Amino acid sequence: KAGVTQTPRYLIKTRGQQVTLSCSPISGHRSVSWYQQTPGQGLQFLFEYFSETQRNKGNFPGRFSGRQFSNSRSEMNVSTLELGDSALYLCASSSEGRQGLETQYFGPGTRLLVL
Amino acid sequence: AQKVTQAQTEISVVEKEDVTLDCVYETRDTTYYLFWYKQPPSGELVFLIRRNSFDEQNEISGRYSWNFQKSTSSFNFTITASQVVDSAVYFCALSEAVTGNQFYFGTGTSLTVIP
Repeated sequence: KAGVTQTPRYLIKTRGQQVTLSCSPISGHRSVSWYQQTPGQGLQFLFEYFSETQRNKGNFPGRFSGRQFSNSRSEMNVSTLELGDSALYLCASSSEGRQGLETQYFGPGTRLLVL
Repeated sequence: AQKVTQAQTEISVVEKEDVTLDCVYETRDTTYYLFWYKQPPSGELVFLIRRNSFDEQNEISGRYSWNFQKSTSSFNFTITASQVVDSAVYFCALSEAVTGNQFYFGTGTSLTVIP
C-alpha cells in the first residue's frame, strides 16, 4: 500500500500571501489529521477530518483552515501568512477513525518558508 | 491536562552501546494509547510502536524494547546495540479516547550514534 503523500514538499511564500497544502491518505483511511512542527513549539495538532467533517480542532487561529473531500484527500489552507507560520506541516491518516484508539501514519511533510 | 515529557533533549552514544529514551506522560483518561515515532532527517514520522493503557506487557522487537509502567506513568524505549542508522529524533506521543485523534507529542529526543 502506498503511504501518506503530501504535496508540495517545499514551498516559499511571502508574508500576507495564502497557501494550500494537500494530503492524500493511505488507501482506505478516512481520518486525516494535520500537525505543525516548529523548533520552538514542537509538534502541535491543527485539526482532524473524518468523512468530510472536521471532528477535532487544535488551538490555532482562524487563518488555518482545512477540508476533506469525498475520496478522503485533504487540504489545509493558511491565509495571510506570517513569518511564524514557517514550519514543517505534517499530515497523518488513520483507518476507521475510532477516536484516540488508532495509529496515525504520517506523510513526509511540506516545508513552508515564509519570507 | 494531557502532557508528555521527554526530559532528554539530546543523547550521544557510541555504536553498539545500549541507550534508553525516557517518556513520562500525564492524562486523566483511563483509556489511552502511547506511541513512539522516529523522525529521520527527511522529516517523516515513522511509527514504531503503540501500547494501550490496559496492556502493561513489555515488548521486544529486534533491537528495540519498550517498558510501560502505569505506576510511574512512563513508557521508556531502549535500543540495544545501537547502530548509526538509529540516529534520529524520537518522539513519544499520547492519544486519549476522550480527546480523539489529537496526539500530544513530547518535545523529542535527538539520538546520535557515533561510529
